[in-house]
Amino acid sequence: DQQVKQNSPSLSVQEGRISILNCDYTNSMFDYFLWYKKYPAEGPTFLISISSIKDKNEDGRFTVFLNKSAKHLSLHIVPSQPGDSAVYFCAASGTKTGNQFYFGTGTSLTVIP
Amino acid sequence: NAGVMQNPRHLVRRRGQEARLRCSPVKGHSHVYWYRQLPEEGLKFMVYLQKENIIDESGMPKERFSAEFPKEGPSILRIQQVVRGDSAAYFCASSLTGLLNEQFFGPGTRLTVL
Repeated sequence: DQQVKQNSPSLSVQEGRISILNCDYTNSMFDYFLWYKKYPAEGPTFLISISSIKDKNEDGRFTVFLNKSAKHLSLHIVPSQPGDSAVYFCAASGTKTGNQFYFGTGTSLTVIP
Repeated sequence: NAGVMQNPRHLVRRRGQEARLRCSPVKGHSHVYWYRQLPEEGLKFMVYLQKENIIDESGMPKERFSAEFPKEGPSILRIQQVVRGDSAAYFCASSLTGLLNEQFFGPGTRLTVL
């Protein structure tokens, strides 16, 4: 039962352009969402988060948007840089869903110089 | 910079053998989480431990898998009588407070069962 879904396994973007990574969830009890970035042979590292009381959170080149009615969130990276090439996972949790994150399957982003 | 350490990084076992995966959390962190990533899938929660106690093992298979986090030493994820379906990357994360948004992940152990 995949409660968090990333339907695009891969994405290629030119350097300097915007990267948009999408994530959908099914459990309306989720109230906290995170994006993680993962390089090969490394563990995921936290990138940015958003709670359900907000619809946007920005940190430098990274912005996360949350649409609760659509159960959808997206990560925007602008401008994209070659060093952003990695696998991006979205994750969700809720105060009433237990002690865990529910992860999506990841989107592999390639930024072309 | 002593982040979360996991060893071994790669482990090869034959079917029926035991696999022991170790996780040393960030110094001072007493909360440890184990996740498994099967091929082509996202990370899936297995177990949450806080020094000597299992807090939540709802994601861990009922048989063959066990986890511990002793007072001294690393956390251990143990898989007995491994099968090919256990082949995966196993990630450990640690946290100071137990808050989910403050988990730091280790580099993972890639288990291959022949």
